[in-house]
Amino acid sequence: DAKTTQPPSMDCAEGRAANLPCNHSTISGNEYVYWYRQIHSQGPQYIIHGLKNNETNEMASLIITEDRKSSTLILPHATLRDTAVYYCIVTFPPNFGNEKLTFGTGTRLTIIP
Amino acid sequence: EAGVTQFPSHSVIEKGQTVTLRCDPISGHDNLYWYRRVMGKEIKFLLHFVKESKQDESGMPNNRFLAERTGGTYSTLKVQPAELEDSGVYFCASSRGLSYNEQFFGPGTRLTVL
Repeated sequence: DAKTTQPPSMDCAEGRAANLPCNHSTISGNEYVYWYRQIHSQGPQYIIHGLKNNETNEMASLIITEDRKSSTLILPHATLRDTAVYYCIVTFPPNFGNEKLTFGTGTRLTIIP
Repeated sequence: EAGVTQFPSHSVIEKGQTVTLRCDPISGHDNLYWYRRVMGKEIKFLLHFVKESKQDESGMPNNRFLAERTGGTYSTLKVQPAELEDSGVYFCASSRGLSYNEQFFGPGTRLTVL
């Protein structure tokens, strides 16, 4: 799986957009970008994933650069409950039979009241 | 739908004892995964079941760990004998199958080996 690089920590004011960057310069053509988060002491929670197009769901937006070497997760209106460690993970889709998740150290996002 | 459940939530055992962790995936999910976080390190993959078959067990640390998924429903992870370095949080996750990408995680079992 391609390695990812994320800043270790970020702060964001409540109500503002939180933009979390991720570099994955060695990503291969078949690998997807996934984002998960872990809120204190809970199991990881899926947020969003994408291949090359920008994606949006009820939780967040994912912007992937045209060369696919980096991406940004956007939480449009951060709340205190969004305080968590966010993981950017690059991996193969299920039909490749190798969809295990490789968690790095992630970005610890703190939402400031 | 009910989420992934894990039992027990906490387990404290002494070195050399045996512990069995249980995971109940979301009903209908063919894929079941085990991960763990030890000593404040990164979450690491242990193994992956597709129904009752082991698809990938490359992350299992050694032969003291035995995972089973009889009948393709719930799974157990047995540690025998437990060592101090096995302490950590063990997570189970499940996903539906081909073309479904999201893994749903359980709350984890915190294992402490004294």
